Amino acid sequence: AQSVAQPEDQVNVAEGNPLTVKCTYSVSGNPYLFWYVQYPNRGLQFLLKYITGDNLVKGSYGFEAEFNKSQTSFHLKKPSALVSDSALYFCAVRAIRFYNNNDMRFGAGTRLTVKP
Amino acid sequence: ETGVTQTPRHLVMGMTNKKSLKCEQHLGHNAMYWYKQSAKKPLELMFVYNFKEQTENNSVPSRFSPECPNSSHLFLHLHTLQPEDSALYLCASSNGVSNQPQHFGDGTRLSIL
Repeated sequence: AQSVAQPEDQVNVAEGNPLTVKCTYSVSGNPYLFWYVQYPNRGLQFLLKYITGDNLVKGSYGFEAEFNKSQTSFHLKKPSALVSDSALYFCAVRAIRFYNNNDMRFGAGTRLTVKP
Repeated sequence: ETGVTQTPRHLVMGMTNKKSLKCEQHLGHNAMYWYKQSAKKPLELMFVYNFKEQTENNSVPSRFSPECPNSSHLFLHLHTLQPEDSALYLCASSNGVSNQPQHFGDGTRLSIL
């Protein structure tokens, strides 16, 4: 079975400060990991993914995430937060084991609020 | 524009009504999904279609009936729903390969009276 945990329901940061949104996962074997963002009244929008290779992956809007296999984590980061980054963020995992596995598991989401 | 279009965006229906949600993807993907998003709950995968064949049904009540006539269109037929079925229903598509992200529509906000 595969699962994802986002331990924080809410993260508050000041504009210009670095932000981190945490994600840990559980999967049999190696994972594919994803981050999505959801703005009000919209669907989920893909930000970045880890498949293999460099543990630090860069994505859209200046976001990046670091894959840490020993800690089974994939935290989302941004060096300098913008007010427009305020949204709901979802981490997701899929097991590599099955080539055509369409079962992606999502975390419960973390609401990021960036204050001016 | 995400390439995945859902209609209607909002739907209010009584418990005895029958309605359908529609999803269309313009991305050439071969897998399509229905998710239910309720407040303060994780995203729930409902159905998966791969090359028009249903490959997953996550114990969804029979009052929800999916239909996938081709790889570009996906429907969710609704009948005799319950108030707890009020939620945002999201459609997504992917190219079926597990290392590719899913692309989501903007959802249908469903309210059951």
